[in-house]
Amino acid sequence: GEDVEQSLFLSVREGDSSVINCTYTDSSSTYLYWYKQEPGAGLQLLTYIFSNMDMKQDQRLTVLLNKKDKHLSLRIADTQTGDSAIYFCAESQYSGGGADGLTFGKGTHLIIQP
Amino acid sequence: EPEVTQTPSHQVTQMGQEVILRCVPISNHLYFYWYRQILGQKVEFLVSFYNNEISEKSEIFDDQFSVERPDGSNFTLKIRSTKLEDSAMYFCASTIRGRTYEQYFGPGTRLTVT
Repeated sequence: GEDVEQSLFLSVREGDSSVINCTYTDSSSTYLYWYKQEPGAGLQLLTYIFSNMDMKQDQRLTVLLNKKDKHLSLRIADTQTGDSAIYFCAESQYSGGGADGLTFGKGTHLIIQP
Repeated sequence: EPEVTQTPSHQVTQMGQEVILRCVPISNHLYFYWYRQILGQKVEFLVSFYNNEISEKSEIFDDQFSVERPDGSNFTLKIRSTKLEDSAMYFCASTIRGRTYEQYFGPGTRLTVT
């Protein structure tokens, strides 16, 4: 079955860039996602990328997709204390009509050092 | 901004009891989902629901689980006879028709089975 892997922790200094990495196994993944979870809160959809793209930028967030290596990354520029959270990578096989479930990684805890 | 809401935020129940977890999806959304996250593990897809029927379900979603949209606003997950291993955070999500790759999550219900 599908699998999504990410490292569990990342520590960065405030103001630096954070790069969170993810690998996935399913070559038929159509959409790849980054969700953010702050303490006590739900999963917030940050951004997603369609599998025929290799980059997507949205303000401080840059998503890079290497489909050949099945590698996805999320870069957060100028990391702030408010970025401290768990970041989940996820994938789906969007069929265009169905309600496809997402497959998630375990999440990466982003720790910001002052 | 419209949000998915879930009640209760925390439910404690005894093994063997039935529980109903409630979700109010975003009002113009038509696809609904349940996920769960056992402590320290990945977020796992349980079931998706569209047009008053189940669209897709995972292996986890066995006969002890059921879902229902009892009225125009609520979406419920029922666990008939809870087991200790059902203790988890349960997340509801919803999407709009035509953009089912954008799933919006609620804050979750923490279910503790004793």
